Amino acid sequence: QVQLQQSGAELVKPGSSVKISCKASGYTFTSYDMHWIKQQPGNGLEWIGWIYPGNGNTKYNQKFNGKATLTADKSSSTAYMQLSSLTSEDSAVYFCARSVPLRRAPFDYWGQGVMVTVSS
Amino acid sequence: DVQMTQSPYNLAASPGESVSINCKASKSISKYLAWYQQKPGKANKLLIYDGSTLQSGIPSRFSGSGSGTDFTLTIRSLEPEDFGLYYCQQHNEYPPTFGGGTKLELK
Repeated sequence: QVQLQQSGAELVKPGSSVKISCKASGYTFTSYDMHWIKQQPGNGLEWIGWIYPGNGNTKYNQKFNGKATLTADKSSSTAYMQLSSLTSEDSAVYFCARSVPLRRAPFDYWGQGVMVTVSS
Repeated sequence: DVQMTQSPYNLAASPGESVSINCKASKSISKYLAWYQQKPGKANKLLIYDGSTLQSGIPSRFSGSGSGTDFTLTIRSLEPEDFGLYYCQQHNEYPPTFGGGTKLELK
């Protein structure tokens, strides 16, 4: 069965960076897009971007350009998102989610989410 | 970006009842609307996509309708496991955008 297992919660200092992971299993990792989505407490969901692990192509929400960097390791079927220059506005739960690599595809499987807390 | 407006914000119902959640897009998104369920400690679940297509494994008491700018998720004969948060999302254009969520609570 398809599973997206995300790394554990992070407590990080303002100005630093953090890299969170999403390990995929139960499907061919290189044949699907992997998306990242942000959810702040009490707020809705915001799409950050996607990566196609098959060739490393990425697409970002303009709002997160320079904030998020998406990578993928085919050998371990793991997608990563690095967030840089962290501020309190980056404190949120971050989800990875899969879609078929087609325009207009929904997110059919999600990870459980990773809480990132930015605090000194 | 396409703005998605969900209503109601909160909804209280009892098992066995039917409920509807609405989602309005700021411009036409054709049929490309998805609905998700979010529950604490569980991965978000895709319920409906393309406005009315039931995701594999989702019970038939869930249904979606609408096109253009106005969409509805209907849950017939609520089961105890249906209580939680529901989000709509347009998957017509980038960036994908979500509604603000509807909390379905036990009355």
